[in-house]
Amino acid sequence: GEDVEQSLFLSVREGDSSVINCTYTDSSSTYLYWYKQEPGAGLQLLTYIFSNMDMKQDQRLTVLLNKKDKHLSLRIADTQTGDSAIYFCAESSRGGGNKLTFGTGTQLKVEL
Amino acid sequence: DAGITQSPRYKITETGRQVTLMCHQTWSHSYMFWYRQDLGHGLRLIYYSAAADITDKGEVPDGYVVSRSKTENFPLTLESATRSQTSVYFCASTDLWETEAFFGQGTRLTVV
Repeated sequence: GEDVEQSLFLSVREGDSSVINCTYTDSSSTYLYWYKQEPGAGLQLLTYIFSNMDMKQDQRLTVLLNKKDKHLSLRIADTQTGDSAIYFCAESSRGGGNKLTFGTGTQLKVEL
Repeated sequence: DAGITQSPRYKITETGRQVTLMCHQTWSHSYMFWYRQDLGHGLRLIYYSAAADITDKGEVPDGYVVSRSKTENFPLTLESATRSQTSVYFCASTDLWETEAFFGQGTRLTVV
């Protein structure tokens, strides 16, 4: 079955850039997503990228997709303490209403 | 208020009891989903529904039952709760274009 993997933990200093990485196995993935989860809250969609794109930028967020290596990354520029959260990458295939396969999540800790 | 709501937010139940988690969405989205979140596993799909009276199994369906008599509601029932079902449960919905999944705030279930 599909598998999505992430490193579990990342610590950065405020103001630095954060890069969270993700690898996936399903070559039929249509969309790839980044979700943010703050403590005690649900999941908030940050951004997504269609599988025929290489890069997407949205304010402080940059998503890079290497389809050949099945590698997805999320770069957060000028990381702030409010960015501390768990970040999930997820993939879906077209059809089926967007059933998502999630990675294990990366805990981002932003230190002063 | 428009959105997707889950109830209860917190629940403690005993092994062997039946418990139902509720999910309600106000957008008339076609698809609805139940995920469970466990440390080290990210979110895993339990069941999903494409429309009223249409449901299908996800990755981890054993021990769970769902129904969808109305488009806006998608309850999840644990017929005989086990300790391994202690988890945080998230309900989600998507529209026909399937681009974004919207998540509820989650239900934290503890089985003792």
